[in-house]
Amino acid sequence: EIVLTQSPATLSLSPGERATLSCRASQSVNYYLAWYQQKSGQAPRLLIYDVSTRATGIPARFTGSGSGTDFTLTISSLEPEDFAVYYCQQRSYWPPTFGPGTKVDIK
Amino acid sequence: DVHLVESGGGLVQPGGSLRLSCAASGFTFSSYSMHWVRQAPGKGLVWVSHIKSDGSIKTYADSLKGRFTISRDNAKNTLYLQMNSLRDEDTAVYYCARDDYRRLYLVDYWGQGTLVTVSS
Repeated sequence: EIVLTQSPATLSLSPGERATLSCRASQSVNYYLAWYQQKSGQAPRLLIYDVSTRATGIPARFTGSGSGTDFTLTISSLEPEDFAVYYCQQRSYWPPTFGPGTKVDIK
Repeated sequence: DVHLVESGGGLVQPGGSLRLSCAASGFTFSSYSMHWVRQAPGKGLVWVSHIKSDGSIKTYADSLKGRFTISRDNAKNTLYLQMNSLRDEDTAVYYCARDDYRRLYLVDYWGQGTLVTVSS
């Protein structure tokens, strides 16, 4: 099973600041890496798939990058609605696995 | 709009059974593979099970060890998860989720979830 590690566990930032979230895989997942956002009490929402493709309706301030085992989600300028937990997920190997999440909270 | 509405959660004793349902609308249900994903209180997301659009292929997380069964009724646009021999560690919100048909195991829509609590 592919293990995904996310860092940091918590990121405390102010609105307008840049957020950089990391996801590392225990072995190469090629480009089959996605990011999901989950707000408190809500279901997850797909943000990015295949490393860097934004899902329908996702604003351009969300950018995914990386390859192989190291991936990054960047939020260029945090909006109030962006404070949430972010999960990465790989689908390169069965079973699909998720990282433990990075919480982005308000500083 | 895609809508996925789970039901059937609740409080059950250890060793008991529960059947979850997920009513789908807003898309051609019979054309999409579907998933169940769970989230224990305060924890992360864990994939549970997947079923192909026609029900011919079903996969499960190894940790379930045959206790859960996924199924679907395409005539009723409904996904199911039969859970038997429930344990305390099965306590979680269970999400029904749609697979992106072009990208296997990519979830593009999620339901709001149904809470299953296993406790005596």
